[in-house]
Amino acid sequence: QKEVEQDPGPLSVPEGAIVSLNCTYSNSAFQYFMWYRQYSRKGPELLMYTYSSGNKEDGRFTAQVDKSSKYISLFIRDSQPSDSATYLCAMTWAGKSTFGDGTTLTVKP
Amino acid sequence: NAGVTQTPKFQVLKTGQSMTLQCAQDMNHNSMYWYRQDPGMGLRLIYYSASEGTTDKGEVPNGYNVSRLNKREFSLRLESAAPSQTSVYFCASSDVGGIQSYEQYFGPGTRLTVT
Repeated sequence: QKEVEQDPGPLSVPEGAIVSLNCTYSNSAFQYFMWYRQYSRKGPELLMYTYSSGNKEDGRFTAQVDKSSKYISLFIRDSQPSDSATYLCAMTWAGKSTFGDGTTLTVKP
Repeated sequence: NAGVTQTPKFQVLKTGQSMTLQCAQDMNHNSMYWYRQDPGMGLRLIYYSASEGTTDKGEVPNGYNVSRLNKREFSLRLESAAPSQTSVYFCASSDVGGIQSYEQYFGPGTRLTVT
């Protein structure tokens, strides 16, 4: 069983939709929970990170962590075509990150 | 700042050939990493270096070697390339080694095909 499991997708939504991306994990030692965005043929870039259970908001993006359920989510409100990318969850412990397999999102105008 | 740079961007090798992928960062980061990314499989850690002079195996180290040449540079070597090593390779760096680090900065990737 993988330490990090990510909903596989792909997801295709109309512009303006609310998008929910999800990951589960098994290692209780994970301390930081991140979401990276990766555009086609580019390297991943950090979108958001959280340290504790709860919600963290940044503009149209909300990251949610539930440590008791070992579950994290990324919500995108009012999705835009520019949000079309692959989203990778990642979790860090002792300086190393473990990544989910990624969910590819397409937002159609 | 260039961030994390990787060379080459593309490479085609024949089975059995060797090559070195180069990575450099100009952010004065302690930790550096090599990942491979295959379709539908996310990023898998090959090797990492928590600080200059140290290297450790990641999840998929077989067939690879690394050298942390100095604080800036971390190279990945394929001694005898195999078709299973066809992948996109990403180098990354991180500000603080150990338990406090989280954000990794990625290079643009090297697309390697082994025929």
